[in-house]
Amino acid sequence: DSGVTQTPKHLITATGQRVTLRCSPRSGDLSVYWYQQSLDQGLQFLIQYYNGEERAKGNILERFSAQQFPDLHSELNLSSLELGDSALYFCASIREGNTEAFFGQGTRLTVV
Amino acid sequence: SQQGEEDPQALSIQEGENATMNCSYKTSINNLQWYRQNSGRGLVHLILIRSNEREKHSGRLRVTLDTSKKSSSLLITASRAADTASYFCATESGGTSYGKLTFGQGTILTVHP
Repeated sequence: DSGVTQTPKHLITATGQRVTLRCSPRSGDLSVYWYQQSLDQGLQFLIQYYNGEERAKGNILERFSAQQFPDLHSELNLSSLELGDSALYFCASIREGNTEAFFGQGTRLTVV
Repeated sequence: SQQGEEDPQALSIQEGENATMNCSYKTSINNLQWYRQNSGRGLVHLILIRSNEREKHSGRLRVTLDTSKKSSSLLITASRAADTASYFCATESGGTSYGKLTFGQGTILTVHP
């Protein structure tokens, strides 16, 4: 158990819909990183938050957004979903001063 | 976009044999890490090697880093069926990209009992 919790584990939704993925980092970790894993693109960094503020952006579509709340949990919002958004979405947290990332079990999103 | 390539893409060996996976990357790095993923589950950190290190060991794992060639290798000795998984290298460049990992495409390792 990495200590990073992601919900839900599985999500099936229709094209055009909007979903919210949730991540709770390890206790004491201020940073949350979101990654997308798909068959064609592999593992791609989406966005990073640190203590409630956005720190870095990667290959995140404009239809996607994220935020980190005062209790440090983070949510990734995916809207106007397309078939190609079907993927595994992971979040990870890193302890201050370290670079070893602890990953959650992921949310498998299927868009039909 | 992916940082680089991993080879082989797939590796099939017998229990007890050694498994070697290679990773190449494109930009300067702060450190390189190896992760393991069991069939679509979360990634588990295996080992980290900093840019000023050349070799590191952890149990049955040995990782090397050649920054002049921008490449790394992961050796798993005396493999077990339980080592069957996908293995990914990931680079971290520090600075404004602190903590952000850029992953390779991964190597699928199958260890036959």
